[in-house]
Amino acid sequence: QAQLVESGGGVVQPGRSLRLSCEASGFTFNTYGMHWVRQTPGKGLEWVAVITYDGSHEIYGDSVKGRFTISRDNSKNMLYLQMSSLRADDSAVYYCAKDTYESGSYPGGFDYWGQGTLVTVSS
Amino acid sequence: DIQMTQSPSSVSASVGDRVTITCRASQDVNSYVAWYQQKPGKAPKLLIYGASRLQSGVPSRFSGRRSGTDFTLSISSLQPEDFATYFCQQADTFPFTFGQGTNLEI
Repeated sequence: QAQLVESGGGVVQPGRSLRLSCEASGFTFNTYGMHWVRQTPGKGLEWVAVITYDGSHEIYGDSVKGRFTISRDNSKNMLYLQMSSLRADDSAVYYCAKDTYESGSYPGGFDYWGQGTLVTVSS
Repeated sequence: DIQMTQSPSSVSASVGDRVTITCRASQDVNSYVAWYQQKPGKAPKLLIYGASRLQSGVPSRFSGRRSGTDFTLSISSLQPEDFATYFCQQADTFPFTFGQGTNLEI
């Protein structure tokens, strides 16, 4: 059974940085693309970023492009989200999520999600 | 970005009812639409992918359908555990986008 556990959330001042981590277990991590998705009561679910199974490609949502960096360490089964120049509207619950199909072979949504980690950007 | 317009935003129903939720994509997304169920304080759970493919372990009372750029999630006979919020998602084109959600309540 796959499991994803996020950590690293907290309260941070505007303009500062924060790094989220996601520890994966129960599946062959290095064969699946991984995503970050965030959720707020007001804006609902917002896809943030994806990284390919091998870390060779990354794609970002427009609202975080140039400020956030997704990365992974397949030797440690870890996914990361480095967030910089944080703004109040980045406040959300951040989830890591796993592609349903290996190597992105079929866009089948996300079959496993972490429990989420809350990021609050406030002075 | 592709907009996923989900309706209704909320629906009241009873155990045993049949309920249908709709998402309309602003452009062609092929059949790359997923549906999720979310309960308070929990992460979304994948129900349907590829518009109509039932995720493993999901009860067969859940079904999905595509008609052009319109996608529907149906629950054939509501059970008490089905009362939750449901989201659609297009997985055809980055950035992936979600519908606004449908709150299914008693």
